[in-house]
Order: sequence, then C-alpha cells, then structure tokens
Amino acid sequence: KNQVEQSPQSLIILEGKNCTLQCNYTVSPFSNLRWYKQDTGRGPVSLTIMTFSENTKSNGRYTATLDADTKQSSLHITASQLSDSASYICVVTYTGTASKLTFGTGTRLQVTL
Amino acid sequence: KAGVTQTPRYLIKTRGQQVTLSCSPISGHRSVSWYQQTPGQGLQFLFEYFSETQRNKGNFPGRFSGRQFSNSRSEMNVSTLELGDSALYLCASSLGAGLRMAETQYFGPGTRLLVL
Repeated sequence: KNQVEQSPQSLIILEGKNCTLQCNYTVSPFSNLRWYKQDTGRGPVSLTIMTFSENTKSNGRYTATLDADTKQSSLHITASQLSDSASYICVVTYTGTASKLTFGTGTRLQVTL
Repeated sequence: KAGVTQTPRYLIKTRGQQVTLSCSPISGHRSVSWYQQTPGQGLQFLFEYFSETQRNKGNFPGRFSGRQFSNSRSEMNVSTLELGDSALYLCASSLGAGLRMAETQYFGPGTRLLVL
C-alpha cells in the first residue's frame, strides 16, 4: 500500500533554533517528492520538489534531502523564525498507468520566543 | 501576476444537495488539480485537468466530478452531498508538464464547504 508517514506529528522550538522534519514513504514507482508549508486557513506553498536523482535541494532557510534507497526524506529548517510556524506536508508522486499523489499527515511546527 | 483564485470561499449546503466550486488558475497555466483537505484524512488528491481533459484521478467516488474550460478555468462538482464531504477544497495550477514532472504547483486559498 502506498503510504507517506511524517514525524514528529508536532514540534515546538525556540526562535533561532534549527529543526529537522522526517518523511518516510513506501510509494512505488516513485516519481518525485514535494515539501509544502501550509499556514492555518491558507493553501499550501511549495518549498522544494525533488526527483529520484536529486538528494539535496534548498530554498532559503529550508533544505530538503532525499534518500531514494531508504525511501526517506527530511526537511531541515535553519535559524527558525516565528513565521515558520505552520504545518509542513510531504507529498510523494507515483506513476503507473497514471500519476497519483500520496500525502503525509503533516508536522505541525510552532516557533516560540 | 494574480494568483490562483477560488470561488466561493465559504459554502453551506445540506445533505443530498449538489455543489459547484470554481477555480481560476494563474495566467498561462494550463493544468489545474483539485484536492480535499479534512482534519481526519488530511490532504487527498481528487483529479488533475490539462487542456480540458482529465489527466489523472484520485480514489474518490463518481459523485465527485470536474471539468476544465478552454481558458483553463476549472469547476468541480459534488452531487448528492454527504456529511463527510465537509472539507476545505483546494485547487492548484501549474504550467502543465504534469504531476510526474518536478513542476511547482500554486495553490489557491480554498473553498470551505460545510454540509449540514
């Protein structure tokens, strides 16, 4: 069964600290993996997209890694800011006769003073 | 450049009714995808349209349907509404390379549907 699991479910960190969010998937055949940030009440915003051959991609203070062999991805946030408080969602696209998406349940991050 | 717009933003319906949601993509984008988000199930993929054709489909019953017009605007219809259809419905647009490609999708603010 195609699944995407994220950990932790929630996380509280102090402003300025770094954190790492995890995403494990069992999706096959793999096409690409996306990380989204979703603020409460708003649509998701794309952070990174990685294909099978990429193992690191950065977007400002956000750095995503992908290990296609172990089917694991991580999102590292450097020098967190209050505005980073949001849900972070991992999405894996798989392709058979058609393309489909499997979503993780997200990690709820709260950055505090 | 204007972002993805969705109308209406909020909607209240009763069981058994049908509803139509609208999505206008970013200018120049030819692909529109629809998603359902609920607290229990999270985000789920409904379908993707490109050039007025459904290109990919998620695992939702036939009560959920959509279409895309020649100007890339898209509508989603849900017939015979059930309580469980209460959700935030999001649409996203992209240039059109397809979900299998590493192409950024841009989401709209969503339509919040409440079924009573």
